[in-house]
Amino acid sequence: GQQVMQIPQYQHVQEGEDFTTYCNSSTTLSNIQWYKQRPGGHPVFLIQLVKSGEVKKQKRLTFQFGEAKKNSSLHITATQTTDVGTYFCAGLPFVLTFGGGTRLMVKP
Amino acid sequence: DGGITQSPKYLFRKEGQNVTLSCEQNLNHDAMYWYRQDPGQGLRLIYYSQIVNDFQKGDIAEGYSVSREKKESFPLTVTSAQKNPTAFYLCASSIDTAKTQYFGPGTRLTVL
Repeated sequence: GQQVMQIPQYQHVQEGEDFTTYCNSSTTLSNIQWYKQRPGGHPVFLIQLVKSGEVKKQKRLTFQFGEAKKNSSLHITATQTTDVGTYFCAGLPFVLTFGGGTRLMVKP
Repeated sequence: DGGITQSPKYLFRKEGQNVTLSCEQNLNHDAMYWYRQDPGQGLRLIYYSQIVNDFQKGDIAEGYSVSREKKESFPLTVTSAQKNPTAFYLCASSIDTAKTQYFGPGTRLTVL
């Protein structure tokens, strides 16, 4: 079946450093979604990418969808303590399949 | 006030007992889902339902059961057959299985 893998599993950064998480699928995706889960909370939708090569920005967050629509990345510029949490990618072709997540920890 | 609710937030049960977790949504969504999350881990799909009176097994359905008698409700029963039931359980809903999922606040189940 479809598998969505994320790396790294954990990332510690100093506040102000950049952070990137990568998402790879074993199959071509119709779209990819990103979610954030704060510690103790539930996942919250961030963004959806649909087109091959698409790039979207939300303030300090940049999301990319690969040309082959099998991979994606989330890049955070100049991390802040409010960025702490686990970031999940989730891909379709049919039922949304979540990656294992990348847990981001930010040292002030 | 639209949303998806789960109750209770914390639940304690003795080993060998079945327990039912509640999930209700008033978003008029057709699709609903149950996920299990273990500490520091990702989301694993237990069951999902695309429409009333229909549901499908996810990746880890063994030891769990669901029903979807109403559009608004998708309760999950954790049976005594589930070997390691202690976990964080998240319910979600979406317009259909291709759209954004909205999550409830979750239920932390501890089996003693």
